[in-house]
Amino acid sequence: QQPVQSPQAVILREGEDAVINCSSSKALYSVHWYRQKHGEAPVFLMILLKGGEQKGHEKISASFNEKKQQSSLYLTASQLSYSGTYFCGTNRGSGNTPLVFGKGTRLSVIA
Amino acid sequence: DAMVIQNPRYQVTQFGKPVTLSCSQTLNHNVMYWYQQKSSQAPKLLFHYYDKDFNNEADTPDNFQSRRPNTSFCFLDIRSPGLGDAAMYLCATSPGRGPAYEQYFGPGTRLTVT
Repeated sequence: QQPVQSPQAVILREGEDAVINCSSSKALYSVHWYRQKHGEAPVFLMILLKGGEQKGHEKISASFNEKKQQSSLYLTASQLSYSGTYFCGTNRGSGNTPLVFGKGTRLSVIA
Repeated sequence: DAMVIQNPRYQVTQFGKPVTLSCSQTLNHNVMYWYQQKSSQAPKLLFHYYDKDFNNEADTPDNFQSRRPNTSFCFLDIRSPGLGDAAMYLCATSPGRGPAYEQYFGPGTRLTVT
């Protein structure tokens, strides 16, 4: 089942902060975050696993609330380079089920 | 640099004319994925391989097939492309299969069907 992302789009000025949310109606085992710039491939940002383990980008933070079945990606002091579409991908089990990606959140950072 | 390479970057084919997209990787990852991504939509998984073990998503059309002759290469064959198959096709690799492994994407092949 596809996770739901919010907001769909956001415009920020450089230096402002943003939060992107990803939620599911089903229990989650992991949440992945990727950023895709226009015309380019998605780039891995972070994985959050049930139980609190994380791996990923040093400059980006995220949270995973297992009980609420949701994750949030925190972008602080945004830079122009943060612009792009952010996708969360969720995995419902510890086994080999593939990721299901949300529809994405388009972030535009302006000077 | 280790990477995921897709060729060609842009492919134009005619309605009904078979087309093959290729993906290669120098990461030596066990898992390779093919995704279809239409404009302003999420990537949609078509297939994945764990080594030579092939996994087809239930809603992947029969028109789409894949081959993985060795660890480094993977191909996506579209037997009879329709106008609805026009999309970006992304190949990705992962060091393992499961929720703890990140995916590394290639730059994609943009397919146009005329």
